[in-house]
Amino acid sequence: EDQVTQSPEALRLQEGESSSLNCSYTVSGLRGLFWYRQDPGKGPEFLFTLYSAGEEKEKERLKATLTKKESFLHITAPKPEDSATYLCAVRMHASGGSYIPTFGRGTSLIVHP
Amino acid sequence: SAVISQKPSRDICQRGTSLTIQCQVDSQVTMMFWYRQQPGQSLTLIATANQGSEATYESGFVIDKFPISRPNLTFSTLTVSNMSPEDSSIYLCSVRTAPNEQFFGPGTRLTVL
Repeated sequence: EDQVTQSPEALRLQEGESSSLNCSYTVSGLRGLFWYRQDPGKGPEFLFTLYSAGEEKEKERLKATLTKKESFLHITAPKPEDSATYLCAVRMHASGGSYIPTFGRGTSLIVHP
Repeated sequence: SAVISQKPSRDICQRGTSLTIQCQVDSQVTMMFWYRQQPGQSLTLIATANQGSEATYESGFVIDKFPISRPNLTFSTLTVSNMSPEDSSIYLCSVRTAPNEQFFGPGTRLTVL
């Protein structure tokens, strides 16, 4: 059973059409939730880290929020250059004392001009 | 932040051969990781590359198949041994820096024929 579930799998928006991506998690002992952007043929690019429920982070048209069971990535007035796959990862305590992030499968966002 | 480079960026290999992927970071980092990203799948951690000691492998990954070297705090290699078509994937190097942000390299796209 997936510990990190992202929805929707794919999302098509018109330029300027705001929307939200969801990341729900079932892990206990959350030690951080991360959002990444990944462009085709490239490695994930770090966007945000959220640590506690109620926390919010913003960067340009993106805003990430966190509750006890899920996180949302809100995209306000998106532009075609926001098209990418957005990955969510949660970090929990793992054996050996290290914190290993578990990634979701991502949401593929396409913004049409 | 950290700037990470990987070599090669892509390769096409024959079944039964081995490929070594290099990862170079522009600063000294304690924690380096190797991930695999198969089409339509989430990032899967292969192993944590420890400087001065053997790598720590995740369930389902073994040292004979994925030997890792970590000779210093800025460099690591991952070898994919005795390759089969199932090893076709993107392999990503990642580092964790203070304050607990994780960055990824551009990836190595491997195709095994």
